[in-house]
Amino acid sequence: HITLEESGPTLVKPTQTLTLTCTFSGFSLSTSGVGVGWIRQPPGKDLEWLALIFWDNDERCNASLKSRLSITKDTSRNQVVLTMTNMDPLDTATYYCAHTSLYGSSGWYVLDYWGQGALVTVSS
Amino acid sequence: VLTQSPGTLSLSPGERATLSCRASQTVSATHLAWYQQKPGQAPRLLIYAASNRAAGIPDRFSGRGFGTDFTLTISRLEPEDFAVYYCQHYGRSLLITFGGGTRVDIK
Repeated sequence: HITLEESGPTLVKPTQTLTLTCTFSGFSLSTSGVGVGWIRQPPGKDLEWLALIFWDNDERCNASLKSRLSITKDTSRNQVVLTMTNMDPLDTATYYCAHTSLYGSSGWYVLDYWGQGALVTVSS
Repeated sequence: VLTQSPGTLSLSPGERATLSCRASQTVSATHLAWYQQKPGQAPRLLIYAASNRAAGIPDRFSGRGFGTDFTLTISRLEPEDFAVYYCQHYGRSLLITFGGGTRVDIK
C-alpha cells in the first residue's frame, strides 16, 4: 500500500527558501524504474509540474523554475526533499508529491499515487 | 503545450461528456494521461497511454486519440464525476506538462 505525505512550513516570507519533505511508504526509491515528483497548484488554478527524481538519481526540473529548484532523495529514510529559493507571493500554492513508475501495459511512466498536498502561503 | 477544451462543461447526470486535449506538437499516445481532481483532493489517475483505464476506474471512462488530438469521454455522468479533468504529457525526456483543465459542472 503506497502512501506519500508532504510536510514543511505553511507560511514563508518573500525571498526566503522553501524546503518541503515528502515522506513515503510502500515502495523504495532504490527500486529500478521508480521516482518521486513534485507538482503544485495555486489556489483555484491549474497543476504545474516542478521536478522529478528517480531511483538512479536522475533528475528533471521544470525549465521555467530550474534556477530556483533543487530535489534530493534520502533512500534510507524514504524521503524526497524539494527546495525552492527566492519565494514570491505567486508561489503560494498547494504542493503535492507523487509516486511515478512504469505503469501497466504501456511500459511508460505515470503519477499514480499522490500525497494529500501541503498548502504553502508566501506573505510578509 | 497542452490545450484543453472546453474550459467548462455544464451537463446533467446521465449525459455524455466529451473533453478535448490538443498538443502543440505531435506526442506519443503512450505518453498521454488523464487525471480527475475533485475539490480539496489530489488528482487521481484515470487514463494512461491515451486509452487505458487505470486500476479501479469504471468503464464509463474512455480515452482515445493520437498525434495532437486526444479525447476523454465519460459515457454517462454519475454525480461523483463532476470534477476537473487534466490531460498530461510525460515525455520521452521525462519532462511533464499538464493541460489547463476542463471543469465538468452539474447543469
